[in-house]
Amino acid sequence: DAGITQSPRHKVTETGTPVTLRCHQTENHRYMYWYRQDPGHGLRLIHYSYGVKDTDKGEVSDGYSVSRSKTEDFLLTLESATSSQTSVYFCAISEGRLGETQYFGPGTRLLVL
Amino acid sequence: QQQVKQSPQSLIVQKGGISIINCAYENTAFDYFPWYQQFPGKGPALLIAIRPDVSEKKEGRFTISFNKSAKQFSLHIMDSQPGDSATYFCAAFLSGSARQLTFGSGTQLTVLP
Repeated sequence: DAGITQSPRHKVTETGTPVTLRCHQTENHRYMYWYRQDPGHGLRLIHYSYGVKDTDKGEVSDGYSVSRSKTEDFLLTLESATSSQTSVYFCAISEGRLGETQYFGPGTRLLVL
Repeated sequence: QQQVKQSPQSLIVQKGGISIINCAYENTAFDYFPWYQQFPGKGPALLIAIRPDVSEKKEGRFTISFNKSAKQFSLHIMDSQPGDSATYFCAAFLSGSARQLTFGSGTQLTVLP
């Protein structure tokens, strides 16, 4: 998985609780991304980062925040988890000059009860 | 609209046959078109990619055909094998200020032995 780890790999939580997912890379790539994958929707971009402390919103950013204080770590926080955020979350990194060639981590399966 | 439409949703092919998956896009500013392969419980893996100045790209048994005027591109898997059974996603990348991949909804390929 291209030097990408995600933690935790599985999580069950309750509605209203905050949740933080971690993505760690060993490739020193500039770009990092968070996607969610749901049946029938493919993968949808939540947030991405183009450098330390440089982040931007994606297609489905409502209810999510991110932080990147080090090149190797990109955190995704669900501020107050809802059942609609039950999904599989993938982190990706990019070696491309513009961020186009993306490699994905193993995913985190999140269930919000 | 940054949408990528993928078809079919599912595909069953006999071993040795040709698998064809199609994608169509609307935004002519897309400038990079990758295909990803995903096995159950794993993250998507980059399979092959093409840029719009090329009409075809071949890597082993996998070929991308690109029709810029029709705004369509397709993945052809020659001599399909049971090990190719997976979900395939097309995507399109916008390298401007948005700088993100937009994914199709996926095609579940089953290759019968």
